[in-house]
Amino acid sequence: DAMVIQNPRYQVTQFGKPVTLSCSQTLNHNVMYWYQQKSSQAPKLLFHYYDKDFNNEADTPDNFQSRRPNTSFCFLDIRSPGLGDAAMYLCATSKDGDEQYFGPGTRLTVT
Amino acid sequence: AQSVTQLGSHVSVSEGALVLLRCNYSSSVPPYLFWYVQYPNQGLQLLLKYTSAATLVKGINGFEAEFKKSETSFHLTKPSAHMSDAAEYFCAVRNTGNQFYFGTGTSLTVIP
Repeated sequence: DAMVIQNPRYQVTQFGKPVTLSCSQTLNHNVMYWYQQKSSQAPKLLFHYYDKDFNNEADTPDNFQSRRPNTSFCFLDIRSPGLGDAAMYLCATSKDGDEQYFGPGTRLTVT
Repeated sequence: AQSVTQLGSHVSVSEGALVLLRCNYSSSVPPYLFWYVQYPNQGLQLLLKYTSAATLVKGINGFEAEFKKSETSFHLTKPSAHMSDAAEYFCAVRNTGNQFYFGTGTSLTVIP
């Protein structure tokens, strides 16, 4: 089945230690998104790639970066995680901005 | 700017009763509207979407939603709640820049 895969499902990192979250998709969608979702809150869009074009949300901290080396993969890099960055991180894809297909998420814990 | 408002962060219904989850949108252009469901520790799953075709949209798992332009609403309904419907539900609007804006979510509890 075509799908969106996120690895790892659970990630523990130390305060200030860089961490990378991975997303891959077999849907061949041209748009990929990263969301941050804190407990009992709505997903908050961090940034998205439309093809190779990177679109950063205005309020996304500089601490968050992203890479998309090819159509299938997208990475979220957190350069210096703080306690406030502990959250579920959701990757989603869409074809030309239509409905989004979500991965299962990566739950990040910062110790 | 586009946004959605979900009235009621928690809704409880009895098994077999009608489910009604409310969503109102704000959009300067004809909107694309979506309902997603999220089960614990999982990603979001699309229930249904409105894209300016039929105003009554049928989705998966027996859910449907009606687009009412005069009321700027897109409420989600299901005639008979099932225990497996207990989850978090998000309404979302898409803007012309391909950005999705989610509501704050409604947690549905189904009482046996």
